[in-house]
Amino acid sequence: EIVLTQSPGTLSLSPGERATLSCRASQSVDRNYLAWQQQKPGQAPRLLIFGASNRATGIPDRFSGSGSGTVFTLTISRLEPEDFAVYYCQQFGSSPYTFGQGTKLEIK
Amino acid sequence: EMQVVESGGGLVKPGGSLRLSCAASGFTFSFFSMNWVRQAPGKGLEWVSSITSSGSLMYYADSLKGRFTISRDNANNSLYLQMNSLRAEDTAVYYCAKGSFDIWGQGTMVTVSS
Repeated sequence: EIVLTQSPGTLSLSPGERATLSCRASQSVDRNYLAWQQQKPGQAPRLLIFGASNRATGIPDRFSGSGSGTVFTLTISRLEPEDFAVYYCQQFGSSPYTFGQGTKLEIK
Repeated sequence: EMQVVESGGGLVKPGGSLRLSCAASGFTFSFFSMNWVRQAPGKGLEWVSSITSSGSLMYYADSLKGRFTISRDNANNSLYLQMNSLRAEDTAVYYCAKGSFDIWGQGTMVTVSS
């Protein structure tokens, strides 16, 4: 099983700042099957990034993804108030599919 | 508009069974694999099961130990999750997600309690 470890667990930033979220895998992940999901309280997850670096439909360009192998990063260039949420990385290239434990992005 | 809508959740006693459904619309259902993901109260996302587009291959989380069965009906654009021998730790919101987890439903709550 591929274990995904996200850091930090909680990130406290202010609107306008840059956010960098990390996702480390216990073994190499096919980047075609690495995605980032955003979840707000009481809502379903929403796909942000697929294929490690491709923005999903309707996702603003302040969101970007990068990485390969065992290290992946989600960057939000300038935080907007609506960006404060929980972010999950996930891999679905190797069964069992797995999610990271999540990074909570909170307003400082 | 592509969407999936889950149904079938509810309160069930430990050891009981429940069948969840997911109705898909706005896309060619038979072209895509489908997935179930759950989220226990206050916890993170946990992948449960996936099924290929034809229904020929199914994948499950190891923790389920054969208690859950995923299936689909391509003629009726529907996905199912049969859950047996339910335990308190199965209490969660269960989400249906399309293919590459690009479309999610709003989830259906399953509570296992006596």
